[in-house]
Amino acid sequence: KQEVTQIPAALSVPEGENLVLNCSFTDSAIYNLQWFRQDPGKGLTSLLLIQSSQREQTSGRLNASLDKSSGRSTLYIAASQPGDSATYLCAVLSSASKIIFGSGTRLSIRP
Amino acid sequence: GAGVSQSPSNKVTEKGKDVELRCDPISGHTALYWYRQSLGQGLEFLIYFQGNSAPDKSGLPSDRFSAERTGGSVSTLTIQRTQQEDSAVYLCASSLARESGEQYFGPGTRLTVT
Repeated sequence: KQEVTQIPAALSVPEGENLVLNCSFTDSAIYNLQWFRQDPGKGLTSLLLIQSSQREQTSGRLNASLDKSSGRSTLYIAASQPGDSATYLCAVLSSASKIIFGSGTRLSIRP
Repeated sequence: GAGVSQSPSNKVTEKGKDVELRCDPISGHTALYWYRQSLGQGLEFLIYFQGNSAPDKSGLPSDRFSAERTGGSVSTLTIQRTQQEDSAVYLCASSLARESGEQYFGPGTRLTVT
């Protein structure tokens, strides 16, 4: 059974710092992994999608990596800004089970 | 083009009543998903459609929940005899294809059962 874990549950850093969010999964047989952000009271916004054959994806200040063998993905945010404050969720689509979301990391960037 | 839309955005209903939630996916997206997010909880997968068929209904929490999709497009999630524990935000997402597609989410329907 696929389980997705995100650590830490919450993170607060000063503006301008680079940071890394972690996502781990127990079953390496996945089709893809997707990172989302969710603002309070809002829906989910897709940030990056990594296919199982890929190692990383980049979009602006965001870089997501995928290591299937170790069951890990990281989301790297460079030069953080207060507008980056949100909850970040990773979701895994695996061949053997439904789409599973992690519980999220609540990120706060202090001005 | 338009994104995923959901209606209503908010729904307040009395316990025991039936409700219907609607999702309009992005045109051309064959895969459609329903999720539920309860207060302070993560996203809970409910059901997945590929075209009009639902190969995975395993996430539906009880037989009071049902969903259908017609014409490979619009989907409705129906909750019969609503209970207070059904209160949550119901999110819909669509993607071009299940195995490789990026999921795009709608804004959600906030359901409150009083």
